[in-house]
Amino acid sequence: GQQVMQIPQYQHVQEGEDFTTYCNSSTTLSNIQWYKQRPGGHPVFLIQLVKSGEVKKQKRLTFQFGEAKKNSSLHITATQTTDVGTYFCAGPWGGSYIPTFGRGTSLIVHP
Amino acid sequence: KAGVTQTPRYLIKTRGQQVTLSCSPISGHRSVSWYQQTPGQGLQFLFEYFSETQRNKGNFPGRFSGRQFSNSRSEMNVSTLELGDSALYLCASSLSHGPNTGELFFGEGSRLTVL
Repeated sequence: GQQVMQIPQYQHVQEGEDFTTYCNSSTTLSNIQWYKQRPGGHPVFLIQLVKSGEVKKQKRLTFQFGEAKKNSSLHITATQTTDVGTYFCAGPWGGSYIPTFGRGTSLIVHP
Repeated sequence: KAGVTQTPRYLIKTRGQQVTLSCSPISGHRSVSWYQQTPGQGLQFLFEYFSETQRNKGNFPGRFSGRQFSNSRSEMNVSTLELGDSALYLCASSLSHGPNTGELFFGEGSRLTVL
């Protein structure tokens, strides 16, 4: 089963509203990655966070890694229809280095 | 640089049959991982190959197997297909393996339907 909790499962927003998805682990992570999968597509790497408290920005996307390295978040400012898709976090849970994926958060943007 | 190539893209099989899926990683990538994606279970790790050796295996029955060739191309095989094996099978390649695996580059996937 999944070793990481990702919430919410779905999020409907009006275009222009903000969006946030959260990833939580019970164990400390060495790193966390974020991927985006468009409908009908495949996961595409967005970013990797490694340091405690790290914050990285990509245009309207802001990624954070918690101080305890047990949680992470992805925040999108002023969503656009091009942001539609499922956002996954992935991390080497359970002592393995293999990226284990969360269930993902599906973002639906209404124009 | 060409991306990860998976074949076939779509296939339909019946219960009890077997299927072989192929994955060609990005040139220079020696690590290949396979994932099963279903609406109910999300992305589930199947196995990882590096230098023709299986390095890690997920929690799947023995009907699921794979291999990697000297040119890093990989195949996975599912025998005695069950209805529940219907899924999108994704292959991902990376430059290295281990703690510094880094970014995974996914292929378009092979969508398997079992009737």
